[in-house]
Order: sequence, then structure tokens, then C-alpha cells
Amino acid sequence: DAGVIQSPRHEVTEMGQEVTLRCKPISGHNSLFWYRQTMMRGLELLIYFNNNVPIDDSGMPEDRFSAKMPNASFSTLKIQPSEPRDSAVYFCASSLRTLSSGNTIYFGEGSWLTVV
Amino acid sequence: AQKVTQAQTEISVVEKEDVTLDCVYETRDTTYYLFWYKQPPSGELVFLIRRNSFDEQNEISGRYSWNFQKSTSSFNFTITASQVVDSAVYFCALSEAGWGFGNEKLTFGTGTRLTIIP
Repeated sequence: DAGVIQSPRHEVTEMGQEVTLRCKPISGHNSLFWYRQTMMRGLELLIYFNNNVPIDDSGMPEDRFSAKMPNASFSTLKIQPSEPRDSAVYFCASSLRTLSSGNTIYFGEGSWLTVV
Repeated sequence: AQKVTQAQTEISVVEKEDVTLDCVYETRDTTYYLFWYKQPPSGELVFLIRRNSFDEQNEISGRYSWNFQKSTSSFNFTITASQVVDSAVYFCALSEAGWGFGNEKLTFGTGTRLTIIP
């Protein structure tokens, strides 16, 4: 079975450019997460969707960041304009949320973003 | 607020030695879930185990074992007869349970970098 698929795997962009990261969750999963990993802050949750609806975006750093989930099989994380401090690995993850909680969250391979 | 502490930043052991990675957590919930993930040098995050707060039985999977002790709020991970392929960063994580939205969020520890020396 295909896991969480992210693209691009690596991106180098210039400061001020728009960056769009894409994610395809595991088929049948109804929760989707965007995490960011940096040396300074470790792994932190940016935003969480359930059934395509954003539930918690309290981790989104600022207005330059936006995320959408137009359907159950696709999500984007956009940074506009990008800044060097946005350089990080961005992980998309998904899970199947049932009546029980503590469902296992599966991660994609990450998108390595460098803003120069 | 929930918190996960992995006090060991880096550990190096010689191949075939046993090694234990420590994880201490804080939560006000009585029902919660604990996880371990592995991040090999290639960068992906690989799920290893999930444990709920009601199940304190130790778990063994091949060379891996986990010791969950609610009394000390710890969920330690032991690798027996370590191998070079075990070299990775290992993350412990916590999610709180409940019916409300947001309870699936994982709070991660800072990770332990394990290096197995051949």
C-alpha cells in the first residue's frame, strides 16, 4: 500500500518566492497533519485537518503560511513570501480517526526546503 | 500541557551491545497514548509502536522492547544486540485521548541520536 506521498522532496528557492508543498495522504485516512522539523524547535505541528476541515492551525507561524485540503486525497502548504528562517523539513502525516483515539499517525518522507 | 523529555541527546554504542533510550512524559490526562518513531539518516519518520495508558504490559518485537511505567511516567525503549542499521534518531511522542478534536496531536520529544559503531 502506498504511504503518505509528499512533493517536492527537495526545494531550494530564493527569499521572497512562493513555495507550495504537496501531500497525498494514505487512502481512507480522514485526518491530515503538517509538521515542521528544525534543529532549534524540533518537530512541531503546524496544522491539523479532519475530514478536510482545518481543526487546529494554532501552530501556523504567521500569515505567510497557509494550508488547504480541497479533497480527501490532497493537501497543500503554501509559504508566501518565503524567508530563510522557513528552511526546514516539512512533514505531512495522516491517520484514520475512528471513535477511539490515539490512532497511529503515519508520516511521509518529508519535503526539505531551503530558502536562500 | 503535555510534555515529552528525552534527556539523552546522543548515544554511541558498539555493535551487539544493548542500549536503552529514555523517555519521560507529562500529562494531566488519565487516558493518553505513547509512541516511538525512528528517523534514519534518509530522513523519513517511521512508526515503531503505540501504547495506551491502560496497558502497562511490556512489549517485545524482535530485538526491540518497550518498558512502560506509569508510576515514573516513563516509556523506555531498549534495543538488544544492536546493529549498524539501528543508527538513527529516535523520537518519543505523546497524544492525549478524548472525544474532542485535537486529541490526535502528537507532542514529540527532542529525540535521541543513536550511533551504532561497527
